[in-house]
Amino acid sequence: ELKVEQNPLFLSMQEGKNYTIYCNYSTTSDRLYWYRQDPGKSLESLFVLLSNGAVKQEGRLMASLDTKARLSTLHITAAVHDLSATYFCAVALSSGTYKYIFGTGTRLKVLA
Amino acid sequence: DTGVSQNPRHKITKRGQNVTFRCDPISEHNRLYWYRQTLGQGPEFLTYFQNEAQLEKSRLLSDRFSAERPKGSFSTLEIQRTEQGDSAMYLCASSFFGSQGNIQYFGAGTRLSVL
Repeated sequence: ELKVEQNPLFLSMQEGKNYTIYCNYSTTSDRLYWYRQDPGKSLESLFVLLSNGAVKQEGRLMASLDTKARLSTLHITAAVHDLSATYFCAVALSSGTYKYIFGTGTRLKVLA
Repeated sequence: DTGVSQNPRHKITKRGQNVTFRCDPISEHNRLYWYRQTLGQGPEFLTYFQNEAQLEKSRLLSDRFSAERPKGSFSTLEIQRTEQGDSAMYLCASSFFGSQGNIQYFGAGTRLSVL
């Protein structure tokens, strides 16, 4: 059974600092997704990573995928308050349903 | 609005009552997924449709749950004889199978509270 683990679960950081969120998964997959969720809101797609070594960047966020290590990272550069949210990684099975298995999420709070 | 639409946004019901939620996917999407999210957790897969066919159901989906997608358009999720443990956010997502990445786009969800 595919399991997805994120760490840390909670992250409080100062504006301007850098940090990395880690997503580990237990079964071979080459499809990994990052989503953002604001309180009471739905999930917003941030990145989709489809191959080993894939790197995507948008603004202060950069995501990467290492399929051999079964690890994805979401790196935050020079954090700002607007990045405060919960971030989820999700791994999709490579065939059939393509259903997502989500991690438990990382609740990020950026302090001014 | 071309996003995924869910109704109602909130539903409060008494234990034992039946409830039904609706999801309208993005119009050209052929896959529709239902997930359940409890506080502090990531969404958990419940079931999915390709067009009108329900192709997989999670073990989380007890016999009290049923989902339909008539004509491959909107979908409904019904919970019969609700229990307090059913309280959660129910999320619908849609995707176009065959697109690069098969990205799922989520609706705002229906928050169910069972008293």
